Amino acid sequence: QQQVKQSPQSLIVQKGGISIINCAYENTAFDYFPWYQQFPGKGPALLIAIRPDVSEKKEGRFTISFNKSAKQFSLHIMDSQPGDSATYFCAASRNDGTASKLTFGTGTRLQVTL
Amino acid sequence: DGGITQSPKYLFRKEGQNVTLSCEQNLNHDAMYWYRQDPGQGLRLIYYSQIVNDFQKGDIAEGYSVSREKKESFPLTVTSAQKNPTAFYLCASTMGGVSYNEQFFGPGTRLTVL
Repeated sequence: QQQVKQSPQSLIVQKGGISIINCAYENTAFDYFPWYQQFPGKGPALLIAIRPDVSEKKEGRFTISFNKSAKQFSLHIMDSQPGDSATYFCAASRNDGTASKLTFGTGTRLQVTL
Repeated sequence: DGGITQSPKYLFRKEGQNVTLSCEQNLNHDAMYWYRQDPGQGLRLIYYSQIVNDFQKGDIAEGYSVSREKKESFPLTVTSAQKNPTAFYLCASTMGGVSYNEQFFGPGTRLTVL
């Protein structure tokens, strides 16, 4: 049962363009939605995160848009750069009483071309 | 430098052998996690531990075992019962408690069964 659905699977964007990755979740108990960035052969690193009491969060070129009623959230990368080429994972977290647990989407491989 | 270390970086195993992957953190985090990453499937939770001497199964615990004898260490054993162990294994840790504490990831161990 996939609780967090992510699309697209891969994305090619020209340098300077906008990259958009979408995620949808099912479990309304989720209360924290992070995005992770992963370079080949490395562990994921937190990029930006949002809680459901706000509809948008911006950090530099990265913005999360959150739609609680639709149970959807998305990552926008403005002015995409070749250094942004990586795999991006959305995730959703909840505390089940013993520990916080992340459920990950299947990832989006982003390639930014010159 | 605070962080999470995983060793070895690459591990080769013959069929029928048990192998143990090391994970150590010096972040003074309470909770630790093991994930498995396969191409196109995102990260899937194997085991997690909130406190010393206590741990819970994640979504894909069959064929794996863990121990948590020290706060800073959470080794994962891949047993011969794991039918398809070739994957990238990631260890993570967090302060624990609330769901919006960031999970920090180690650099990963790539396990290949020969």
